[in-house]
Amino acid sequence: SAVISQKPSRDICQRGTSLTIQCQVDSQVTMMFWYRQQPGQSLTLIATANQGSEATYESGFVIDKFPISRPNLTFSTLTVSNMSPEDSSIYLCSVDEGGTEAFFGQGTRLTVV
Amino acid sequence: KNEVEQSPQNLTAQEGEFITINCSYSVGISALHWLQQHPGGGIVSLFMLSSGKKKHGRLIATINIQEKHSSLHITASHPRDSAVYICAVVTGANSKLTFGKGITLSVRP
Repeated sequence: SAVISQKPSRDICQRGTSLTIQCQVDSQVTMMFWYRQQPGQSLTLIATANQGSEATYESGFVIDKFPISRPNLTFSTLTVSNMSPEDSSIYLCSVDEGGTEAFFGQGTRLTVV
Repeated sequence: KNEVEQSPQNLTAQEGEFITINCSYSVGISALHWLQQHPGGGIVSLFMLSSGKKKHGRLIATINIQEKHSSLHITASHPRDSAVYICAVVTGANSKLTFGKGITLSVRP
């Protein structure tokens, strides 16, 4: 099994600023995933973080708004840039082990004021 | 478009009751996850199923691939079971996850 440490757990940010969320995994994993969960909604995949190459973004999400780093096989960051109140959500990172099991971070609850 | 539907939307139960949460989906899948989300937002994986039935403690998960339906059962429910329960299906060659909206369960003492 994989243990994921995600931080910060929550933050309140001013509009127009940026926040970087970090995820550390206790084992090497090929792919890491970043999700957004808006209030009352299901989780939506933002992007897949690939080590050594650019992240793969889903429709509706762009690199300028959600830049992602993946410097090695155990770590990734997601930045929420130029934030607005609409970005208030829970952000989660996740890994899976060959599609057999999914592991999630503790989530980052972001409020933009 | 693959839709994952969960029912009921919200559920309140008395401690000790037997609880069933349902999940239906619309396309072929390779597996299905049941996840538990607590108020802070963190998610714990409860089960991953591709067929049949799995049991862990007081939790039982079943899946019927032909009917595109899965259920999560909680026996002898307890207030600490209060959480959001999310169903997610695995599709495609890249094992993409598609999530339901989740069901908010509240178990009263």
